[in-house]
Amino acid sequence: DSGVTQTPKHLITATGQRVTLRCSPRSGDLSVYWYQQSLDQGLQFLIQYYNGEERAKGNILERFSAQQFPDLHSELNLSSLELGDSALYFCASSLTPGSDYGYTFGSGTRLTVV
Amino acid sequence: DAKTTQPPSMDCAEGRAANLPCNHSTISGNEYVYWYRQIHSQGPQYIIHGLKNNETNEMASLIITEDRKSSTLILPHATLRDTAVYYCIVRVARDDYKLSFGAGTTVTVRA
Repeated sequence: DSGVTQTPKHLITATGQRVTLRCSPRSGDLSVYWYQQSLDQGLQFLIQYYNGEERAKGNILERFSAQQFPDLHSELNLSSLELGDSALYFCASSLTPGSDYGYTFGSGTRLTVV
Repeated sequence: DAKTTQPPSMDCAEGRAANLPCNHSTISGNEYVYWYRQIHSQGPQYIIHGLKNNETNEMASLIITEDRKSSTLILPHATLRDTAVYYCIVRVARDDYKLSFGAGTTVTVRA
């Protein structure tokens, strides 16, 4: 157990639907990162939050959005889902943005769009 | 842009040392070398990082060449549980928030 909790572990939904993925960072960590891993794209950085504020954006689609709440948990919202959105979604956390000692990743949410 | 080059795969015998090479010929003076691994669709796991000195922790050793253009991750006594994809990443600590994962090296430890 890495200390980063992601729910749900698996999600199957239909095209056009909207889902919410949840992440609780490791205790004491203030920064949260979201990554997408698909078979053809590898691990791609999506977005990062620090203490409730967006800090960096990667290749995140406009159909996707995220936020970090006052209790520091984060949610990634995916809407108008397409087959190509099927992937593993990982959340990671660190004490501070760009922490020297690496990020702690959760075990991921596997999203299947049918 | 790929900042690192790693062999796509390598095999290692259980109990032997595994030496994983990484080329980063365009590394800047303020960029660190990080290693992560991912065991079969689990979340990536931080292993070690370094700037220019060799580093060792309970998981592995990191050897960085004097010109910093390449490095080697050493798993001293590989076990079957070390079978994973290993990623070598260069980044500026504190300033560069995202980790850019390449294709990595798939390491298979054989009994």
